[in-house]
Amino acid sequence: DQQVKQNSPSLSVQEGRISILNCDYTNSMFDYFLWYKKYPAEGPTFLISISSIKDKNEDGRFTVFLNKSAKHLSLHIVPSQPGDSAVYFCAASAERDKIIFGKGTRLHILP
Amino acid sequence: DSGVTQTPKHLITATGQRVTLRCSPRSGDLSVYWYQQSLDQGLQFLIQYYNGEERAKGNILERFSAQQFPDLHSELNLSSLELGDSALYFCASSPLTRDSLGYTEAFFGQGTRLTVV
Repeated sequence: DQQVKQNSPSLSVQEGRISILNCDYTNSMFDYFLWYKKYPAEGPTFLISISSIKDKNEDGRFTVFLNKSAKHLSLHIVPSQPGDSAVYFCAASAERDKIIFGKGTRLHILP
Repeated sequence: DSGVTQTPKHLITATGQRVTLRCSPRSGDLSVYWYQQSLDQGLQFLIQYYNGEERAKGNILERFSAQQFPDLHSELNLSSLELGDSALYFCASSPLTRDSLGYTEAFFGQGTRLTVV
């Protein structure tokens, strides 16, 4: 049973445009959500997070939106840069418990 | 550098063998997580330890076991290895504490690539 779903395996976006990565979850107990970025041959690195008491969190070019009623979150990257090409993982946890990851979305930033 | 150290970086072994993967968490982090990343499978949660005790269990096979030692380093033991166990194994740590009021992210090591032949 996949509790965190990233339905788009890959996404291509023109450099300078907005990248939107989507994530859905099924467990209503999740109260903390995270996005990680992963380059080949490296471990995932933390990007941005949001607690369930908020609906938006912004950090520079990265903004995460949370829609609890739809059990959906999204990561917006504006403007997209070549270095943003990576695999992005959505993750969630309940009451500071284990962190469950989605399968990831590979983002390609096109020149 | 996340501060989480995993050894070895690469491991090649034969089917039926047993291996031990080691993880040193960031200084002061009490919680350690183990994840498996197989081809196209994302990051599968295996197990979590907190201050030496098992805290949560995921899709960990009975052939696999883990422990966290008093110095907080952790080991993941994989036995009776099969070809399908070939994967990247990641360790992560977090400063999560029982009295923590806030939330925090987990910091990942570089992973151990296990190849079973």
